[in-house]
Amino acid sequence: DSGVTQTPKHLITATGQRVTLRCSPRSGDLSVYWYQQSLDQGLQFLIQYYNGEERAKGNILERFSAQQFPDLHSELNLSSLELGDSALYFCASSQGLAGPGWAQYFGPGTRLLVL
Amino acid sequence: TQLLEQSPQFLSIQEGENLTVYCNSSSVFSSLQWYRQEPGEGPVLLVTVVTGGEVKKLKRLTFQFGDARKDSSLHITAAQPGDTGLYLCAGGSGTYKYIFGTGTRLKVLA
Repeated sequence: DSGVTQTPKHLITATGQRVTLRCSPRSGDLSVYWYQQSLDQGLQFLIQYYNGEERAKGNILERFSAQQFPDLHSELNLSSLELGDSALYFCASSQGLAGPGWAQYFGPGTRLLVL
Repeated sequence: TQLLEQSPQFLSIQEGENLTVYCNSSSVFSSLQWYRQEPGEGPVLLVTVVTGGEVKKLKRLTFQFGDARKDSSLHITAAQPGDTGLYLCAGGSGTYKYIFGTGTRLKVLA
C-alpha cells in the first residue's frame, strides 16, 4: 500500500459525459501528479500540482482540468469524453518537486471506460 | 524534449536466468527511479539513485546510475516468476516533472 488513495476504482460512462477522479496523496506529500496510461502510449504525464499551485503541464487535453485543494487532495476533471479517453488514470504524490531523491508513490489507479 | 528510451522493449526468459534492462537518455537527470508495475495496478517504486556511478542492490536486483547521470541499468540475477511485470525508469529534473521511460515488459517462465 503506497498510501495514495484514488476513487473510484472503476468508471464506465458514455461519450460526451463528464467525470471527476479523486486522489488523496500520502500524508506529508505536497506534490500531486496525474498520469494517463493506455495500452499503446505508455505512462503519459498530464499535470502536476505543488501545495495547491499548478507547477507543470504535460500532454493534457483542453477538455481535461485539475486542481489541488487546501487539504492537498486533488481532482482530475475529464469532460466531453471520447472513446479514446478510455485508459487507466494514475495519481502519484511526492514530498516535493522533482528534486534529487524525491520519488513518486502511485495510487492504485482509476480505470475509465468510455462507451 | 527529454526522452528516456528503455531496452529491450519485451523480454521473455526462463526462471533462473539473469537479465539486464537499460534506460538511456541524452539528457542529464538529478535523480532516477525504477518502478515495477503489475497489470491493473500502479507502478511500485523499487529504488532511487541520485549520484553518478551509484550502485544499489535490492536482493537479486542491482541498479546502476551512469557516471554522467544520463543512463541507468537494472540487472536481475536468477530471475523468478514473481519478477514478471512492466519495469519503468523515470528521471527527475529541475522542471518539476518526471519523465518516464518507454518500459520493458518482462515475463519469467517457470
